[in-house]
Amino acid sequence: AQSVAQPEDQVNVAEGNPLTVKCTYSVSGNPYLFWYVQYPNRGLQFLLKYITGDNLVKGSYGFEAEFNKSQTSFHLKKPSALVSDSALYFCAVRDKGTSNTGKLIFGQGTTLQVKP
Amino acid sequence: KAGVTQTPRYLIKTRGQQVTLSCSPISGHRSVSWYQQTPGQGLQFLFEYFSETQRNKGNFPGRFSGRQFSNSRSEMNVSTLELGDSALYLCASSFLAGDYNEQFFGPGTRLTVL
Repeated sequence: AQSVAQPEDQVNVAEGNPLTVKCTYSVSGNPYLFWYVQYPNRGLQFLLKYITGDNLVKGSYGFEAEFNKSQTSFHLKKPSALVSDSALYFCAVRDKGTSNTGKLIFGQGTTLQVKP
Repeated sequence: KAGVTQTPRYLIKTRGQQVTLSCSPISGHRSVSWYQQTPGQGLQFLFEYFSETQRNKGNFPGRFSGRQFSNSRSEMNVSTLELGDSALYLCASSFLAGDYNEQFFGPGTRLTVL
């Protein structure tokens, strides 16, 4: 069964420093991986996805993610954090048990706190 | 293009009642999925609809049901509400139901069961 793990409940960084939010996955076959962000009292916003191709994926708001097949990881990164990046971040993998299914399996989420 | 809209945004119900939540996908999107978000269980998949057909269902009791209309709008219904049904219910739409399509989420409906 597909699964996703986010090993850190919270990540604290200072504004201007680089940030990394970790994600590891377990899937059969090639993974389809996604990152979403959730601000308080809001729905999830899509940041980026990995389907195939380059291991470094660029997304919205200056975020990028590095796909590492050997380590089964898909870490979210940003070179310079902003206070406004403070939010809850979710990594997700597409469930490929059934063809053409939209089901996403989410990690438990990581709270990112960027301090001025 | 307007995003995914969900109504109502907030609901307060009592145990034993039933509730219907509505979701309007992004124009042109034909796939709609529903998720339940709680502090304890995180984000859990409820069901997915594509062209008025339920394509997938999560591990929830039969009290949870849904449907999709010909205009792709979707509703989910929860009958005989329990305290544990208190959650944020999120609807997401995508153009197709294919594996590589990202889903776009609405703001959610916050359901409180008293």
